[in-house]
Amino acid sequence: EAGVVQSPRYKIIEKKQPVAFWCNPISGHNTLYWYRQNLGQGPELLIRYENEEAVDDSQLPKDRFSAERLKGVDSTLKIQPAELGDSAVYLCASSLGSGAYNEQFFGPGTRLTVL
Amino acid sequence: GNSVTQMEGPVTLSEEAFLTINCTYTATGYPSLFWYVQYPGEGLQLLLKATKADDKGSNKGFEATYRKETTSFHLEKGSVQVSDSAVYFCALIPTSGGYNKLIFGAGTRLAVHP
Repeated sequence: EAGVVQSPRYKIIEKKQPVAFWCNPISGHNTLYWYRQNLGQGPELLIRYENEEAVDDSQLPKDRFSAERLKGVDSTLKIQPAELGDSAVYLCASSLGSGAYNEQFFGPGTRLTVL
Repeated sequence: GNSVTQMEGPVTLSEEAFLTINCTYTATGYPSLFWYVQYPGEGLQLLLKATKADDKGSNKGFEATYRKETTSFHLEKGSVQVSDSAVYFCALIPTSGGYNKLIFGAGTRLAVHP
């Protein structure tokens, strides 16, 4: 069974440019998560989707970040415009549901470098 | 609030040495506790978990025991291998909040030399 797929794996952009990350979760997983992992730190949740609905986006910087999961399957996370402090690894994860005992499965991440 | 504190790395060991990575947590009630591992170039993988006090999670020779009295979940392995070199994250899911919101520690890098 295929795992969580993310692309691109690496992205280097100039500050003030836009950037987008794509995630395809494990088939059948209704819940999708985007995390940001700063260098030397653990992942922090940005947004959680239940099917196509964003049910927890309290940690998403809404002035420059946006996300969508239009058909309840794959998802895109966008930053516009990017700032130097956005350099990080962006992780996508998915789970069958969001109950406490539903394991989250993580993709390999997209490493963003903003110059 | 809820938080996880791990020992700072890197931890450098010789093959077959004993490993301990300390993890303590702050949370109300009885959170579920986890260890995740991140191998170079790969995503995080669940290594083991424990959902109630005194539970022991184990996998691939690694063990951790949920200690409510010391709010700890230390990771141990009796004999490490070079292939265990990775970053290890301790995490919790709080009892409040209603869903599986993972809260991670900062991670501990382990380097095992032949």
